[in-house]
Amino acid sequence: ETGVTQTPRHLVMGMTNKKSLKCEQHLGHNAMYWYKQSAKKPLELMFVYNFKEQTENNSVPSRFSPECPNSSHLFLHLHTLQPEDSALYLCASSPVGGTEAFFGQGTRLTVV
Amino acid sequence: QKEVEQDPGPLSVPEGAIVSLNCTYSNSAFQYFMWYRQYSRKGPELLMYTYSSGNKEDGRFTAQVDKSSKYISLFIRDSQPSDSATYLCAIGGGANSKLTFGKGITLSVRP
Repeated sequence: ETGVTQTPRHLVMGMTNKKSLKCEQHLGHNAMYWYKQSAKKPLELMFVYNFKEQTENNSVPSRFSPECPNSSHLFLHLHTLQPEDSALYLCASSPVGGTEAFFGQGTRLTVV
Repeated sequence: QKEVEQDPGPLSVPEGAIVSLNCTYSNSAFQYFMWYRQYSRKGPELLMYTYSSGNKEDGRFTAQVDKSSKYISLFIRDSQPSDSATYLCAIGGGANSKLTFGKGITLSVRP
């Protein structure tokens, strides 16, 4: 089983829908991250959690709502998204304070 | 000036060629230098990690860091079609230990 697992792999949702992305890590790390990857743009860090506490929110719109119930699980709740939110959403984990991030396979999100 | 700039692509080379991928950065406080490889429809995977100036070799891959010029490179020797992927540089350290990524360059190795 891979170290960082994301579900679903693909998601198509309407602008009025509510959906959630799930991430689970089996590496014993205590830091987890959400990144957004859009075409021709650098990876954008969205949220950082250390020991289940949110330590960083990079001015992400409130239509994205993260949740970290424990150090192994991370969710991203989505509601009333816009078409420009279509992207690959990547979850990553690392030891707290560690720089080396381990990524999941990502969820390819399409907002219609 | 962007914190991390990566050469634009895409890049196409014949099998067996030597590939050179480059990034520059602006913040001299950066201490960690990484290269990630991302295959189509996959997440990035860590390929090389170094924290000092100089060269680090791993098989056909060599990561080079020049802190005085704020320049990092990844060399791929005897490139193979299986090396076809997007390569992202990532630089971290400094005040908050966050990783800052380049845009990535897509490499295609033709058989």
